[in-house]
Amino acid sequence: DADVTQTPRNRITKTGKRIMLECSQTKGHDRMYWYRQDPGLGLRLIYYSFDVKDINKGEISDGYSVSRQAQAKFSLSLESAIPNQTALYFCATSDLPSIFGEETQYFGPGTRLLVL
Amino acid sequence: QKEVEQNSGPLSVPEGAIASLNCTYSDRVSQSFFWYRQYSGKSPELIMSIYSNGDKEDGRFTAQLNKASQYVSLLIRDSQPSDSATYLCAVNRGAAGNKLTFGGGTRVLVKP
Repeated sequence: DADVTQTPRNRITKTGKRIMLECSQTKGHDRMYWYRQDPGLGLRLIYYSFDVKDINKGEISDGYSVSRQAQAKFSLSLESAIPNQTALYFCATSDLPSIFGEETQYFGPGTRLLVL
Repeated sequence: QKEVEQNSGPLSVPEGAIASLNCTYSDRVSQSFFWYRQYSGKSPELIMSIYSNGDKEDGRFTAQLNKASQYVSLLIRDSQPSDSATYLCAVNRGAAGNKLTFGGGTRVLVKP
């Protein structure tokens, strides 16, 4: 089984609808992240959480909200979807950095979202 | 100016040749640097990380970091068709948490 899973894998919705993307991990990591990817723009950070009680905005949080239900679960919501939120969304996890500052992020398989 | 810049490519490389990818970053306080490989429609996977100036080798991959010039590069030796992918450079300022800033990626095509 995959260590980081995302549901749904594909979603088509209409403008104005509320939708939720879910992420679960079995890696036991405290840190979780949500990114979106648009062609040619790399990945951009939406929200991140370093533990269950910690939620932080990333560089493009407007129009999104998150919920950290447990260490293993981190959900992303689009309160009122709009067409420019059409993108590929990735969840990622990471453990605490080593004493040398090394830290690796592990990505889920992604959710392809189309907002009509 | 973007925080992390990469040439979008495509970088076309004959099989067996060396592919050279470059990445520049704008924030001098950046402390750690990563190269991710992403196949079309798939999630990014980490292939190299580097934290100190100089070279770091791992199999056919070599990462090079020059903090004074604010660039990091990736060399892929003996390129194979399976290396055809988009390579994402990511930079972490360190300090409070691992927040990565990604470049737009360089698409590499290895031709048999």
